[in-house]
Amino acid sequence: KQEVTQIPAALSVPEGENLVLNCSFTDSAIYNLQWFRQDPGKGLTSLLLIQSSQREQTSGRLNASLDKSSGRSTLYIAASQPGDSATYLCAVSPGDYKLSFGAGTTVTVRA
Amino acid sequence: DAGVTQSPTHLIKTRGQQVTLRCSPKSGHDTVSWYQQALGQGPQFIFQYYEEEERQRGNFPDRFSGHQFPNYSSELNVNALLLGDSALYLCASSFVDQPQHFGDGTRLSIL
Repeated sequence: KQEVTQIPAALSVPEGENLVLNCSFTDSAIYNLQWFRQDPGKGLTSLLLIQSSQREQTSGRLNASLDKSSGRSTLYIAASQPGDSATYLCAVSPGDYKLSFGAGTTVTVRA
Repeated sequence: DAGVTQSPTHLIKTRGQQVTLRCSPKSGHDTVSWYQQALGQGPQFIFQYYEEEERQRGNFPDRFSGHQFPNYSSELNVNALLLGDSALYLCASSFVDQPQHFGDGTRLSIL
C-alpha cells in the first residue's frame, strides 16, 4: 500500500523567503506525481504535474523535483508572498486512476 | 467553461440518516472520482466511475455507493451515517488518463 508523507506539517516564514516543501512515498512504481494547493474549505488546485520519466517541472516561481528511485519530491516556492499561504498537498498515481495523497503542509507567509 | 461543480456546498445530517451528494464534471470529461477528506488529513480515494460503471474502489465500506449518469454527472450516496463520516467530500473529473480537476467539495457534518 502506497504511503505518502509530507514534512513539515506546518511552516511559517516571513514574506520574501524561499519555501521548501518535502514529500516522500514508499512505493517507487508511480506513473506521475502532482502538487496541489488547497485554500481553507476549498477544493484542490493543481500546481505542477511531474511524469515518472521527468526530473523536474517549473511554473513561474514554483519548481518541483522528483527522485523516483528514492521516493522523494520537493516543491520550491521562490520569493514567497502572503498570497502563497495555503495547504500544499502532494499526490502520487500508480497509473491505476486513483491518487494517493499526503496530509499536506500548511504554509503561512507573514507580511 | 464551467469547471467541476458540486452540490450542495454544506450539509448537516444526523447519525443513521442517508445522504446524496452530486457532481457535474468539467465539460469534455467522462470520468468522475470521489474522495473523502477528514479535517487535517489528505483526501482518501473512495471510487471512480467511467462509462456508468464503478472502475475502481478504495478501502471504504459498502455504505458508500455511487452512480454515474449518461451525461457523465455522478452521485455519491452514503447510508447509515456515522459521526466519522463528517468530512469534505471532493469530486474530481478527468478525460482518459489526463490530470484530474477537482470541485470545491461538499462539507458534510454529522450530529
